[in-house]
Amino acid sequence: QKEVEQDPGPLSVPEGAIVSLNCTYSNSAFQYFMWYRQYSRKGPELLMYTYSSGNKEDGRFTAQVDKSSKYISLFIRDSQPSDSATYLCAPPGSQGNLIFGKGTKLSVKP
Amino acid sequence: DTGVSQDPRHKITKRGQNVTFRCDPISEHNRLYWYRQTLGQGPEFLTYFQNEAQLEKSRLLSDRFSAERPKGSFSTLEIQRTEQGDSAMYLCASSFLGWSNSSSYNEQFFGPGTRLTVL
Repeated sequence: QKEVEQDPGPLSVPEGAIVSLNCTYSNSAFQYFMWYRQYSRKGPELLMYTYSSGNKEDGRFTAQVDKSSKYISLFIRDSQPSDSATYLCAPPGSQGNLIFGKGTKLSVKP
Repeated sequence: DTGVSQDPRHKITKRGQNVTFRCDPISEHNRLYWYRQTLGQGPEFLTYFQNEAQLEKSRLLSDRFSAERPKGSFSTLEIQRTEQGDSAMYLCASSFLGWSNSSSYNEQFFGPGTRLTVL
């Protein structure tokens, strides 16, 4: 089993929709989780992070962690065409390196 | 400081040739990471430096790969005798982390990547 699993999509939604992106993880020792956004042919950029308990909200984005089921979610409200990108979840490994899922490709149609 | 930069952005080479990539991290960032990303996959960790010391290497980093960070600033990643399977995006990231905070929040800033195509 991979340490981080993510449905690669693609996921296509109309503009204004609420988007739910999800990851599962296997290592209960992960202390926090990052969400990166990657536009085509660009490097990943940090969207937000959350520690392994509770939720975090930042504008239209909300990150949730469910430790009991080892499930991480990122919600995007009022999605915009500019949100079209690949979303990667990434907890840190023991050396601080990030362990990325495959990423979910999101397309928001105007 | 405009962020992490990488050079070249694209490299096309023939199988068997050697290639070298450069990464310039954000000033004063003491950690520098190299990742490799293939199509449809997330980035995979290759190696990282704390200042000039290379502290960890992934099993993905075969003996054809070597990385350096000679003065704790920029880093180079060299691939010798390239193979078609080396074709990927090579990403560099930097961060600042204290020695006592290895498990603390460690925001990594990524460069734009070097896209390698081995023919």
